[in-house]
Amino acid sequence: QKEVEQDPGPLSVPEGAIVSLNCTYSNSAFQYFMWYRQYSRKGPELLMYTYSSGNKEDGRFTAQVDKSSKYISLFIRDSQPSDSATYLCAMSPIYEHSGGSNYKLTFGKGTLLTVNP
Amino acid sequence: KAGVTQTPRYLIKTRGQQVTLSCSPISGHRSVSWYQQTPGQGLQFLFEYFSETQRNKGNFPGRFSGRQFSNSRSEMNVSTLELGDSALYLCASGTSGEYEQYFGPGTRLTVT
Repeated sequence: QKEVEQDPGPLSVPEGAIVSLNCTYSNSAFQYFMWYRQYSRKGPELLMYTYSSGNKEDGRFTAQVDKSSKYISLFIRDSQPSDSATYLCAMSPIYEHSGGSNYKLTFGKGTLLTVNP
Repeated sequence: KAGVTQTPRYLIKTRGQQVTLSCSPISGHRSVSWYQQTPGQGLQFLFEYFSETQRNKGNFPGRFSGRQFSNSRSEMNVSTLELGDSALYLCASGTSGEYEQYFGPGTRLTVT
């Protein structure tokens, strides 16, 4: 079983739809959860991050983490054609080192989203 | 503030050759991580450097190596290239105590 599972899609929705993207994971040590958006031929762009369980909202985007179910979600409200991209979930344990924590992200394979005008 | 820059953006090499990729992090960021992205495997962690020290390493063969300089710029090297090394190599930088990483545009390596 992969540590992080993400439905690759593709997902095609009409403009204005609510989009739900999800990932499941198996490693209980994951504490920090992120969503990235990647446009074609570009590097991933950080959309949202959350620590442990709970919800976080930023404009049209809402991230949810349910650690008991090992399940995270990203909701996009009023989706726009400009939201068409690959969405990647990423997660990390917390490593404590002198000078701060480090980064070792485990990514899902990404979901390709197309929002049609 | 300028973003993460990577050079070169595109590279074509032949099997058996070696290659060096460069990454300049966002000013003030001391952590630099490298990832390999392929259609089959997705994004996979290679290694992370902080203040010139490798703090974490992924499951890649020893042909993949890296280093970080005192100005936080980083390089990664792949020796004895194989066809399977063709990928987008992404560099990400972050600050101490934070978890968010900011990615560069990547270097697309093609091995023929």
